[in-house]
Amino acid sequence: AQTVTQSQPEMSVQEAETVTLSCTYDTSESDYYLFWYKQPPSRQMILVIRQEAYKQQNATENRFSVNFQKAAKSFSLKISDSQLGDAAMYFCAYGDQGGSEKLVFGKGTKLTVNP
Amino acid sequence: NAGVTQTPKFQVLKTGQSMTLQCAQDMNHEYMSWYRQDPGMGLRLIHYSVGAGITDQGEVPNGYNVSRSTTEDFPLRLLSAAPSQTSVYFCASSYFPWQSSGGAPDTQYFGPGTRLTVL
Repeated sequence: AQTVTQSQPEMSVQEAETVTLSCTYDTSESDYYLFWYKQPPSRQMILVIRQEAYKQQNATENRFSVNFQKAAKSFSLKISDSQLGDAAMYFCAYGDQGGSEKLVFGKGTKLTVNP
Repeated sequence: NAGVTQTPKFQVLKTGQSMTLQCAQDMNHEYMSWYRQDPGMGLRLIHYSVGAGITDQGEVPNGYNVSRSTTEDFPLRLLSAAPSQTSVYFCASSYFPWQSSGGAPDTQYFGPGTRLTVL
């Protein structure tokens, strides 16, 4: 079974600085998808960024980018120019490509942004 | 377009009571699922459905029932609530399979969650 590990329960960053959240996963599949979700205090799950395993190019969405290392099974999230609104729980998630859209989530990293 | 809606937002039950958590989506998504979120844990899949009339178990299905009679609705039933079912429940939906007609994999859209307490 696939597993997702987020080794940093909590992280903090100064406003306008850059922070990287770590995620590793375990799978025997070659085709799959990886996601970062943000969960603010409102509890809403918000998709931040996604990566297809067959794409070598790292995904980027505005201030958010990933470092996808397929061989190492690593999928870290970099937040540049951190803003107070970035404070939230961040969850890394894995999804199979082969007809099953079940997501496997990590335990999350709580990000604090200091003014 | 309301997206994914869940009712109620909060619920308190006594042990042994039954109830249904409602989930509806207006995006014509084939795939719908239920997750639970416990403190210190990520979301864990309870049940999912790939279309009307088709459901299957996820990682933690015990104590929960689902059915899918329409594309829009996917209710989650607790037959006899237990304190271990105290959690926040999320419903999610997406196109199925993920690679939509546009060729790019779609994403799952989550509802706002239901906080359930079982005393």
